Amino acid sequence: AQSVTQLGSHVSVSEGALVLLRCNYSSSVPPYLFWYVQYPNQGLQLLLKYTSAATLVKGINGFEAEFKKSETSFHLTKPSAHMSDAAEYFCAVRLTQGGSEKLVFGKGTKLTVNP
Amino acid sequence: DAGVTQSPTHLIKTRGQQVTLRCSPKSGHDTVSWYQQALGQGPQFIFQYYEEEERQRGNFPDRFSGHQFPNYSSELNVNALLLGDSALYLCASSSQGWGYGYTFGSGTRLTVV
Repeated sequence: AQSVTQLGSHVSVSEGALVLLRCNYSSSVPPYLFWYVQYPNQGLQLLLKYTSAATLVKGINGFEAEFKKSETSFHLTKPSAHMSDAAEYFCAVRLTQGGSEKLVFGKGTKLTVNP
Repeated sequence: DAGVTQSPTHLIKTRGQQVTLRCSPKSGHDTVSWYQQALGQGPQFIFQYYEEEERQRGNFPDRFSGHQFPNYSSELNVNALLLGDSALYLCASSSQGWGYGYTFGSGTRLTVV
């Protein structure tokens, strides 16, 4: 079954430092992968998505992710953290079944940005 | 352009009661999916509606039911509420069921006491 695993439930970085949030996937078919961000008391906002085109995907707010098939990874990075990046981040994989589809999410990584 | 609208934003119910949550999809979207997000967890898929029919269902009991109306809006009903049903319920809309362009609402926070 397709699934994603997010390594590290909490990540803390200093403002201006590199942000690296890890996601590994399990899939028997080429996956479609997503990163979402959730700010407190809000819904999910799509940061970026991989749909089997370019392996390096650029998203909003300066985030990007690289699809590495050999490592079954889709880690999210941002060169320089900003205080406004503090939020919870979810990696997800699209699971198709019988002509319909759904997203399967990881448990999330809470990012703290220290001044 | 309005995104996905969910109502109410918060509500408190007592064990055993029934609740109805509502979702209006983004303009141009015809598919609605519902997710349950327990505290500290990722969202879990409940079910998806397209053309007023349930197309796929996650691992949730029959106490969870839904409906989609001709205008593509949707309702999520939960009967015989349990304490464990306390969660953020998210509605996501998309076009023709494909996840490339899911738009999520801000959710309904349900507390069962």
